[in-house]
Amino acid sequence: KAGVTQTPRYLIKTRGQQVTLSCSPISGHRSVSWYQQTPGQGLQFLFEYFSETQRNKGNFPGRFSGRQFSNSRSEMNVSTLELGDSALYLCASTSGAGGIQYFGAGTRLSVL
Amino acid sequence: TQLLEQSPQFLSIQEGENLTVYCNSSSVFSSLQWYRQEPGEGPVLLVTVVTGGEVKKLKRLTFQFGDARKDSSLHITAAQPGDTGLYLCAGARNAGGTSYGKLTFGQGTILTVHP
Repeated sequence: KAGVTQTPRYLIKTRGQQVTLSCSPISGHRSVSWYQQTPGQGLQFLFEYFSETQRNKGNFPGRFSGRQFSNSRSEMNVSTLELGDSALYLCASTSGAGGIQYFGAGTRLSVL
Repeated sequence: TQLLEQSPQFLSIQEGENLTVYCNSSSVFSSLQWYRQEPGEGPVLLVTVVTGGEVKKLKRLTFQFGDARKDSSLHITAAQPGDTGLYLCAGARNAGGTSYGKLTFGQGTILTVHP
C-alpha cells in the first residue's frame, strides 16, 4: 500500500508569489490534514479536509487555503508569500479510526 | 489553548545509555501518539496510547500514558546511534468540531546517540 505522497519535495519562491502544494493520501483514507513545521514553532495545524469539505482550521491567516478533490487528493495554496512562510509543509492522512495520522515526507518551501 | 510541553529539548548521550523523554499537558487527550522524524522526512508513527495508565513496549522503547491521560513518557533502553532523530509527542481529541484532524504537537526532543 503506497504511503502519503507530497509533491513537489522542494520549492523556492520569492516574496509576493503564490504557491500550490499537493498531497495524495493513502488509498482509502478520506481525511487529510496539513501542518506547517518550523524550527521555532514546531508543528502547527493548518486545516483538515474530509469528503471535499474543510472541517477544521488552525490559526493561520487567510493567505493559507486548501481544497480536497473527490479522489481525496488535497492541495494547499499560500498566496502573497512572506519570508516567514519558509517551512516544511506536511500533510497527513487518517483512516478515521483512532485519529492515527500518517505523514508524507513534506514539501520544503523556501521564500527568498 | 491545548499545549503539550515536551522535555528535554535536546539530549546527547553515549551508546548504551538509557533515556526518558517527557510530554506533559494540563489538558486531557483521547489518545497520544509518539513519532520519530529524521531530517528531510515526515514524522513516522511509533506508537499510539489510548488508555490511562497504558504501557506499550516496542523493542527497547517503552511508552507510558498517564492515568489522567494528560502526560506520557518515552523511555529508551541501551540507546543506539540508529535511535538518533527528532522525537515528537502529539495529542488527539476525538470530540469533533475543532478537534477534527488536529494533532497538538510537543516541541520535540532532538536525540543524538554517539557511538
